[in-house]
Amino acid sequence: DTGVSQDPRHKITKRGQNVTFRCDPISEHNRLYWYRQTLGQGPEFLTYFQNEAQLEKSRLLSDRFSAERPKGSFSTLEIQRTEQGDSAMYLCASSSGTTGSTDTQYFGPGTRLTVL
Amino acid sequence: AQKVTQAQTEISVVEKEDVTLDCVYETRDTTYYLFWYKQPPSGELVFLIRRNSFDEQNEISGRYSWNFQKSTSSFNFTITASQVVDSAVYFCALSGFTGAGSYQLTFGKGTKLSVIP
Repeated sequence: DTGVSQDPRHKITKRGQNVTFRCDPISEHNRLYWYRQTLGQGPEFLTYFQNEAQLEKSRLLSDRFSAERPKGSFSTLEIQRTEQGDSAMYLCASSSGTTGSTDTQYFGPGTRLTVL
Repeated sequence: AQKVTQAQTEISVVEKEDVTLDCVYETRDTTYYLFWYKQPPSGELVFLIRRNSFDEQNEISGRYSWNFQKSTSSFNFTITASQVVDSAVYFCALSGFTGAGSYQLTFGKGTKLSVIP
């Protein structure tokens, strides 16, 4: 069984461009999370999916950010009109669980975004 | 609001020394979970341990041990006989049910451990 995978691993873009990241969770994990990590900080929660439903979004997730998880499998995170402040590591995590139970989140290797 | 504090920003030890990483948390939830993750230079967060708020038993796994004390809201992590491969950033994290169905993790800022040969 493979772990969480993310693509691309690195992305360099110019300010104002749109970028899209992909996350493939561990097979059959129904929960998927996106986090953002800046240098010297811990990861910060962005958004959460249970199956295909996006159930929670952080106030960190501005209108320029959108995430999807069609069919409850892989997920994409798109950033429109990128800004230099968007430069960070974007981490995806997945977990399995039933309603009312917490579980362990397993993280992917991350996508490092650099906005010039 | 939940908060996790890791007061030690960086620690350096000589190989084979023991080292303890501190973690203090704040939460209003009565049921919550605490985690430790390791982030080596490659960048991927590696899960180490999960502990729920009702289980205050200490745990030992090889050279790793964890001390959970609810009375002081602390969940400290000790590495015995440290090795160079232990060099990494270690994060303590707290999870609680948000009501919207999410069990999002709140992370501390991490402690960078350098083990010198």
